[in-house]
Amino acid sequence: NAGVTQTPKFQVLKTGQSMTLQCAQDMNHEYMSWYRQDPGMGLRLIHYSVGAGITDQGEVPNGYNVSRSTTEDFPLRLLSAAPSQTSVYFCASRTPSGSTDTQYFGPGTRLTVL
Amino acid sequence: QKEVEQDPGPLSVPEGAIVSLNCTYSNSAFQYFMWYRQYSRKGPELLMYTYSSGNKEDGRFTAQVDKSSKYISLFIRDSQPSDSATYLCAIRWQTGANNLFFGTGTRLTVIP
Repeated sequence: NAGVTQTPKFQVLKTGQSMTLQCAQDMNHEYMSWYRQDPGMGLRLIHYSVGAGITDQGEVPNGYNVSRSTTEDFPLRLLSAAPSQTSVYFCASRTPSGSTDTQYFGPGTRLTVL
Repeated sequence: QKEVEQDPGPLSVPEGAIVSLNCTYSNSAFQYFMWYRQYSRKGPELLMYTYSSGNKEDGRFTAQVDKSSKYISLFIRDSQPSDSATYLCAIRWQTGANNLFFGTGTRLTVIP
C-alpha cells in the first residue's frame, strides 16, 4: 500500500492564482480530511469528508473548496490564493472503527503565496 | 478555550535522558488519546494509542492518561538522537467524523 499520497510536494503561487492540491489513499478509508499546519497553531482542520459525495467544513474553511467523487481521492482547491494561505497542508484518512480508529497522514504540501 | 493544550517547548535533552511530554484537555467526554511523532518536513505518524485512563507501554515509550485530572503524558526512556522530532498529542470522542483534536506539538531535540 502507498498509504496517503499528496502532490505536489512544493508550490509557489502569486496572490490571486488558483490551484488544486491532490490527495489519494489506497486503504479504502471512509473518512478523509485536510489540515493546515502553521507555527504555534498546530494542525487545523479545513474540510473533511465521511464518504464519496459527502463533505463538510472544519475549523478554517474560508478560501478553500473540496469535493469527493470517489473513495480514493479528496482534492483541495484554493480559489484565489492569499499570502495568509502560506502553510503546510496535510491530507489524512481514517476508518472509524471504534478502538482501532487511526488517522494516517500524507507527506504534506508546502505552499507559499507571494 | 481549546480542546487540548500542549506546551510547545522547545525541549532539549542529552542522550539517555528521560523525557516527559504533557497535554491537558478540557472535556471529560474525550475517551481516546494518541501521541503522534512528526519528523522535520514529514507528516505526523501515530506513535501511541490509549483508551481511557491508565498506562500503555511500547518499548522505550509509555503513554499515561489521568482522566480525573484531564492530563495525558508521554514518557521516553533512554532517549536517542533519533527521537528528535515534534510530538503532538491528540484526543477524540467516541463517535463522529469531526471528533479529533490535536495539540500544537512539542519540539524535542536529543543531543548526542
